[in-house]
Amino acid sequence: GESVGLHLPTLSVQEGDNSIINCAYSNSASDYFIWYKQESGKGPQFIIDIRSNMDKRQGQRVTVLLNKTVKHLSLQIAATQPGDSAVYFCAENMRTALIFGKGTTLSVSS
Amino acid sequence: NAGVMQNPRHLVRRRGQEARLRCSPMKGHSHVYWYRQLPEEGLKFMVYLQKENIIDESGMPKERFSAEFPKEGPSILRIQQVVRGDSAAYFCASSRQRSMNTEAFFGQGTRLTVV
Repeated sequence: GESVGLHLPTLSVQEGDNSIINCAYSNSASDYFIWYKQESGKGPQFIIDIRSNMDKRQGQRVTVLLNKTVKHLSLQIAATQPGDSAVYFCAENMRTALIFGKGTTLSVSS
Repeated sequence: NAGVMQNPRHLVRRRGQEARLRCSPMKGHSHVYWYRQLPEEGLKFMVYLQKENIIDESGMPKERFSAEFPKEGPSILRIQQVVRGDSAAYFCASSRQRSMNTEAFFGQGTRLTVV
């Protein structure tokens, strides 16, 4: 079965709000995780990654948090914009393959 | 620098026909990965290839599916005798090194519809 999953299938926010998308994984040996954004009709686009020796990593407007104790990671998007509307996937890197969760659809309203 | 190119973008096949999906990796990338995405689902790993070699095909169905990445030309995912359950989006990714990491990029996908 899947080792990576997401808590909520959909998330609706207002423009300017902060968004938090969650993901749980089951393989405690996993050492590398990636968040992808997928817009309608397009392929997944890399957002940010984090290794298991880190708890937090920041990018431009995005932050990923990793809690190895409860095997949970989250993606935080600051000042969410309409262009952030998409499906977000967390993925667990298993060296030659990625194990994807089912995704959270983020809808941003103006 | 062109990204990962997949064609066709959309493919319609009748049950029993063959589907051929092509993927040209980014320049300088010799590692190719194929994933399948069913509606409302995440991507599922199918196969990982290097030039002329299949490295990991643990996600490939045992029958009707095959993949190749010849020395020259694009990688091909071939589905023989398609059935309605094969309808999905098929994505290819490529990387320079043997790992799906920050340097791996996905194509736009081929959406296969079996009628």
